[in-house]
Amino acid sequence: GAVVSQHPSWVICKSGTSVKIECRSLDFQATTMFWYRQFPKQSLMLMATSNEGSKATYEQGVEKDKFLINHASLTLSTLTVTSAHPEDSSFYICSAEKVLAGVGTDTQYFGPGTRLTVL
Amino acid sequence: LAKTTQPISMDSYEGQEVNITCSHNNIATNDYITWYQQFPSQGPRFIIQGYKTKVTNEVASLFIPADRKSSTLSLPRVSLSDTAVYYCLSLSGGYNKLIFGAGTRLAVHP
Repeated sequence: GAVVSQHPSWVICKSGTSVKIECRSLDFQATTMFWYRQFPKQSLMLMATSNEGSKATYEQGVEKDKFLINHASLTLSTLTVTSAHPEDSSFYICSAEKVLAGVGTDTQYFGPGTRLTVL
Repeated sequence: LAKTTQPISMDSYEGQEVNITCSHNNIATNDYITWYQQFPSQGPRFIIQGYKTKVTNEVASLFIPADRKSSTLSLPRVSLSDTAVYYCLSLSGGYNKLIFGAGTRLAVHP
């Protein structure tokens, strides 16, 4: 199997506070994890690539000081939205890359997502 | 990474076979084609992956012709629960940065 979990599944916070979202690969190790954001009726937008033991790589336009990523182990990456504002309200989804030995190529498996609402 | 193009939306009825075609004219030699399914307020779910010819699993089939410039996801006998957005993406070994397009919004009607 290839199961990825996220916690929490939803969170409501006040403007100006920070929120941490966890992404875990439950039955495989992932050197690389990815964070996406999805607004209603839109596609997923890649925010950053998280590599275990090194700094995350952010996509153009994504503020690295606002979206802190820590990939502390081969099964856990965290995204912290600092000083959240209403415009940060979105659906945040992580994925973990599973390396396939033999047939096929590395494949990303996605978490269930975290709904963030900033009041 | 190859850019993929697929229809924005499709409609079908329960019990029918649905074929969603994806165009990827610039696919690289090492790229695999991967399809994901996404329901509202959920993360994408891996459906199937292939390199060439035909791949089948318990959920779907994937047809990739010899020139690999397109691929077709086939969903046999769809049900209402197959209503979702389907994404076609290319993956290559190593650094897999997925860039999602709009996907195909499939609506299955009774």
